[in-house]
Amino acid sequence: GQQVMQIPQYQHVQEGEDFTTYCNSSTTLSNIQWYKQRPGGHPVFLIQLVKSGEVKKQKRLTFQFGEAKKNSSLHITATQTTDVGTYFCGGAGSYQLTFGKGTKLSVIP
Amino acid sequence: KAGVTQTPRYLIKTRGQQVTLSCSPISGHRSVSWYQQTPGQGLQFLFEYFSETQRNKGNFPGRFSGRQFSNSRSEMNVSTLELGDSALYLCASSLSQLAEKLFFGSGTQLSVL
Repeated sequence: GQQVMQIPQYQHVQEGEDFTTYCNSSTTLSNIQWYKQRPGGHPVFLIQLVKSGEVKKQKRLTFQFGEAKKNSSLHITATQTTDVGTYFCGGAGSYQLTFGKGTKLSVIP
Repeated sequence: KAGVTQTPRYLIKTRGQQVTLSCSPISGHRSVSWYQQTPGQGLQFLFEYFSETQRNKGNFPGRFSGRQFSNSRSEMNVSTLELGDSALYLCASSLSQLAEKLFFGSGTQLSVL
């Protein structure tokens, strides 16, 4: 079945440093979605990428979808303490959204 | 617009018992999916319902079952509970079928003793 790998599992950064998490799927995806889960909270949708090679930005967050539609990345510029949480990618196959195990981001003030 | 509502918020059961969790999707959303979240395994897909029909199922044993009612509300049942079933169970709704933007509920934290 479809598998989605996400690295790194944990990332500790100093406030102001950049952060990147990577997502790789074993199969070609129809779209990829990114979610953020704050400690003690539930996943909240951030963005959906559909097109091959697509790049989208949300303020300090940059999302990319690979040319082969099998990989994606989330880059945060100049992290802030409000960025703390776990970031999940979800790869959409036919009717299923398969999530990576997430990257837990800690920001040291 | 009210978000996705899951009840109960916390549940403590013992091995061998069964449990039913409830999920009310956002009004107008017809797709409901369920996920199990554990620290080591992340978000694992259980099943998805659309218009009262199970459209997709993850790799979980038959002890895990669900259903969806005509008003799109959904229930998930776990029979013969095992210690390993302790997890946060998240329900998510979307407008159409799975693979669209998901709106998650706050989850039900199940502890099996």
